[in-house]
Amino acid sequence: IQMTQSPSTLSASVGDRVTITCRASQDISSYLAWFQQKPGKAPQSLIYGASTLHSGVPSKFSGSGSGTDFTLTISSLQPEDFATYYCQQYKTYPITFGQGTRLDIK
Amino acid sequence: QVQLVESGGGVVQPGRSLRLSCAPSGFTFNTYAMHWVRQAPGKGLQWVADISSGGIDKYYADSVKGRFTISRDNSKNTLYLQMNSLRADDTAIYFCARSSGSGSSYRIDYWGQGTPVTVSS
Repeated sequence: IQMTQSPSTLSASVGDRVTITCRASQDISSYLAWFQQKPGKAPQSLIYGASTLHSGVPSKFSGSGSGTDFTLTISSLQPEDFATYYCQQYKTYPITFGQGTRLDIK
Repeated sequence: QVQLVESGGGVVQPGRSLRLSCAPSGFTFNTYAMHWVRQAPGKGLQWVADISSGGIDKYYADSVKGRFTISRDNSKNTLYLQMNSLRADDTAIYFCARSSGSGSSYRIDYWGQGTPVTVSS
C-alpha cells in the first residue's frame, strides 16, 4: 500500500494552525498512525487509529479520516512543533510510511 | 518507562554481515511484538521487519527478504536483526520499535534512539 503525504514541505508561523494530508492507495480502514521526528532524534508517536492521541500528546494535535484519506491538524504552532511528520499504515504487510512532511518556520 | 536501546551498528564492507541488538526495559518484553525500522541519510522511514511476541510470526520488507533475519530471545530480553549480504543501500540508522500488541495490525508505540549502519568499502 502506497502512502502519499502532501505537502512535502510546509512553511508556517508560530501560532498558526496547519493541516497535513495522507492518502493511502487502498482502503486501510483506521489503521493509520502519525509520527513526529526532529533532526537527529527518533520518531515519536502522536496519533494511532487515525484519531486517537498517544499517551502524553497534547490536544493541539488531532487526526481524522478513514479508508484512504486522512489528515493531521496541529493548532497554535509552537517552536517545538517544527519537525517532520510521517503517516504510516499498519493494516497490511508490508507496513508503509508516507514520504514525510517537513514543517518549517516561516 | 518504556526504553529501547539498540547496539551493534558500525561500518561494514559490502557483502559482509552485521547483527544488531535491542535491549528493552520498562515493560514485559515477551508480550509485545517488535519491529525494526530504518532511515537512510536524509531520507524517510522504511519498515524493515517485525516479529510476534512469541517469535513465531515474522514479516519482512521485500528489500531485505532473504538477507535479513529478525529474531528474539525472550529469556534474555533481547531483539535481534541479523543482516547478511549487506549492500550500500542498507546504509541507514536502524531503529528498534515496540508494537502495542502481541501480533499483527498493531501500531508502533515506542522507538529506540537508533544505531547507525554504514556499508562501504
